[in-house]
Amino acid sequence: EAQVTQNPRYLITVTGKKLTVTCSQNMNHEYMSWYRQDPGLGLRQIYYSMNVEVTDKGDVPEGYKVSRKEKRNFPLILESPSPNQTSLYFCASSLMRGMANYGYTFGSGTRLTVV
Amino acid sequence: AQTVTQSQPEMSVQEAETVTLSCTYDTSESNYYLFWYKQPPSRQMILVIRQEAYKQQNATENRFSVNFQKAAKSFSLKISDSQLGDTAMYFCALRHGGSQGNLIFGKGTKLSVKP
Repeated sequence: EAQVTQNPRYLITVTGKKLTVTCSQNMNHEYMSWYRQDPGLGLRQIYYSMNVEVTDKGDVPEGYKVSRKEKRNFPLILESPSPNQTSLYFCASSLMRGMANYGYTFGSGTRLTVV
Repeated sequence: AQTVTQSQPEMSVQEAETVTLSCTYDTSESNYYLFWYKQPPSRQMILVIRQEAYKQQNATENRFSVNFQKAAKSFSLKISDSQLGDTAMYFCALRHGGSQGNLIFGKGTKLSVKP
């Protein structure tokens, strides 16, 4: 089954404790992206990647890191989480170039709480 | 800058009736795509319908249809014969057809279908 897999689905952590949210897709998509969703703000892009070793900042990149060492994986790293990073996070993937009309395939989301 | 605006934070509709969700957008590009995503309480992001900007014909998917007014930069979603399972957040989104392909979301409309 074609899908984007995010883990964990729920995470509660303490301020300053490094964490990684994993994302993997099995569709051979070039493009991958991370979003955060907050009430009243919709989904805002954190980082995106157009292919292996190619990453770039989205609209709200502060406090986050990403890497794209393999085409299928795109982990989101919070080096020192703070309470304002409490949010619902989505990973998404897509084909590139000429396939923009297909939109994104989303993972199931990760609910992160930083206390 | 590209923006997507959903002016109705919340709406409600009686089961079996028709409801229209509004979306306006701003872009200077001529090649772009528009989407409506549904997010039920399970929080999964589900693609409802897509529209290519170069197509004049409005897209339709079963009970879901759009009214795409390119000159007015308007992209509304009509849900006919509303069902209880249509209760969800609905997000309008814009994606350009170029290589970057980032998906830009509105802030969402929370739709409640009442029995």
